[in-house]
Amino acid sequence: ETGVTQTPRHLVMGMTNKKSLKCEQHLGHNAMYWYKQSAKKPLELMFVYSLEERVENNSVPSRFSPECPNSSHLFLHLHTLQPEDSALYLCASSQTASGTEAFFGQGTRLTVV
Amino acid sequence: QQQVKQSPQSLIVQKGGISIINCAYENTAFDYFPWYQQFPGKGPALLIAIRPDVSEKKEGRFTISFNKSAKQFSLHIMDSQPGDSATYFCAASGGHDYKLSFGAGTTVTVRA
Repeated sequence: ETGVTQTPRHLVMGMTNKKSLKCEQHLGHNAMYWYKQSAKKPLELMFVYSLEERVENNSVPSRFSPECPNSSHLFLHLHTLQPEDSALYLCASSQTASGTEAFFGQGTRLTVV
Repeated sequence: QQQVKQSPQSLIVQKGGISIINCAYENTAFDYFPWYQQFPGKGPALLIAIRPDVSEKKEGRFTISFNKSAKQFSLHIMDSQPGDSATYFCAASGGHDYKLSFGAGTTVTVRA
């Protein structure tokens, strides 16, 4: 195990639903990230949190709303998604927000129908 | 704009052969170049990383070669094994762009 746990592993949701993805890290890291992974494309950084403060929002649509209540937990709230939002959503953490030595969770496979 | 370009998209190698994956970057401020390995159903895991003060780093059967003047780096998997079959991502970070920029990935298949 990498020390980063994501739930659920799979999620199917309709375009009018509201759901949340959860991430928990047990590594004592200070930075957490959300990435989107689509087939044949580079990992896309969505959000970066450092010490529970959002330090980066990579032009992500407002239908994705992150929340970081403490340095160990990260959520991604989803509402009114589109089919093109179907992807693997990966959470990662690192000691600092430098991006070095990032540890990834197993991801949530999201399908929007 | 994709900051790290990775090739090939996929490759097939026989057991015992050498797998070579190449990456190129533009941002000269990059100073950290990791490689991640991802198996199906798993998240990427750090495999090996290099900084530009060395031209090569070896860990077991995995070697990174780094060419600073050409702004290129590559991963060599020696004596490839079926268990090495996975998708490999190169990445880079540094300078003002502290966050990791990833390549598009290379799917490696090792045939027994």
